Order: sequence, then C-alpha cells, then structure tokens
Amino acid sequence: KNEVEQSPQNLTAQEGEFITINCSYSVGISALHWLQQHPGGGIVSLFMLSSGKKKHGRLIATINIQEKHSSLHITASHPRDSAVYICAVLAGGGADGLTFGKGTHLIIQP
Amino acid sequence: GAGVSQSPSNKVTEKGKDVELRCDPISGHTALYWYRQSLGQGLEFLIYFQGNSAPDKSGLPSDRFSAERTGGSVSTLTIQRTQQEDSAVYLCASSSLRGSSSPLHFGNGTRLTVT
Repeated sequence: KNEVEQSPQNLTAQEGEFITINCSYSVGISALHWLQQHPGGGIVSLFMLSSGKKKHGRLIATINIQEKHSSLHITASHPRDSAVYICAVLAGGGADGLTFGKGTHLIIQP
Repeated sequence: GAGVSQSPSNKVTEKGKDVELRCDPISGHTALYWYRQSLGQGLEFLIYFQGNSAPDKSGLPSDRFSAERTGGSVSTLTIQRTQQEDSAVYLCASSSLRGSSSPLHFGNGTRLTVT
C-alpha cells in the first residue's frame, strides 16, 4: 500500500509570499494529483502529473519520479488561495483507487 | 457542460436505517470513483468503476457498503444498517479515461449524518 506524506500539515503565510507544499510517496505511481478544497466547498483538481512540471497561473507543480516526491508552489499568494491542498497518487499497477495525503491546510493572511 | 452531480447534498438518518447516495458523472466519463471524508480525516477511497468491468471494491470498509453503476453511467452507493461512524461526506469523482490519462472531476459530495 502506498504511503503518502504531505508537509507541512498547516501553513500560515502573508499575502504575496511564495508557498511550497511537499508530497512524498512510498511506491511507484502512474500519476499524481494535486487537489484543492476550500472551506465548506467541493474538491477541485489542480494538476495531474506523471513527470516533469506543470504551470497554471500562479500555481506550479513538479514531480521527481526517482525521488518519489512532488511539490506544489504558489507564487504571489493571495487570501483566496486559503484552502486545504491534497496530494493523491494513483498506483502504477494493481488497484486503481487513489491514495490520499492528509492534506495541507493553508491560510494566507492579508 | 454539467459537472459531476451528487444527491442528496445532505442526508440525516437514524442509526440502523439504510441510505442510498447517488452520483451522476460527467457524460461520457467511463471511470467513476467513490470516496469519503470523515470529520478531521483525509479522503478515503471506497470503490472504483471503469466502464462495464468488475469494480474495484478494495476500499469498502464493511459488507454493509455496496455500490452499483447502471448502464455505465449513474452510480448508487448504498449503506445498510447505518452506524454513527458512517457519518462523513461521501464524494464521487469521474474521469474520461482510466489511470493517468485524465484529471478527476469531483462532485460536491453528500454529507451523511447518522444520529
């Protein structure tokens, strides 16, 4: 079973700061998802990665398959970025269900 | 176009009763997942459907839980003899292709409260 660890669990930062959230997993995967969940809101898929790097607006996601590690970066953070960010991995073989990290609770203060 | 739709959005039931939760995936999406998120906990995989193949039920917590997907589209998650520990938000997600080829689209979930 894949173990997915996220860090930090909680992060409070000031508006404008550069944010990094990390995700490590224990077993080879076919894809990794970064998800966003606003308080009381639904879950939105931000990125799906199997290699390299993706960028969307102020969000950047990278993955290092050899090191079994991914990072989500937020540039010029804004209070509306406050949410729980969840890393989820899809196994390289076997079960098709996702394994989730426990999430990183991000608060951006104005 | 419409996203993943789940109903009801909220359900309060008495312990011991059966409940049915419904998920309408995005039209054309062959992969459908059920997850749950308990208070203060992370997301937990329950079951996965891919087209007409036999579902991956490895995440179902007990035999009180079952799910079906009719016609490769709408899915129903049934919980029999509900217990208080079943209280959670039940989330459905769909994607257009199996595995790593397509992002997930989540519904807004059904908040189940067992009293």
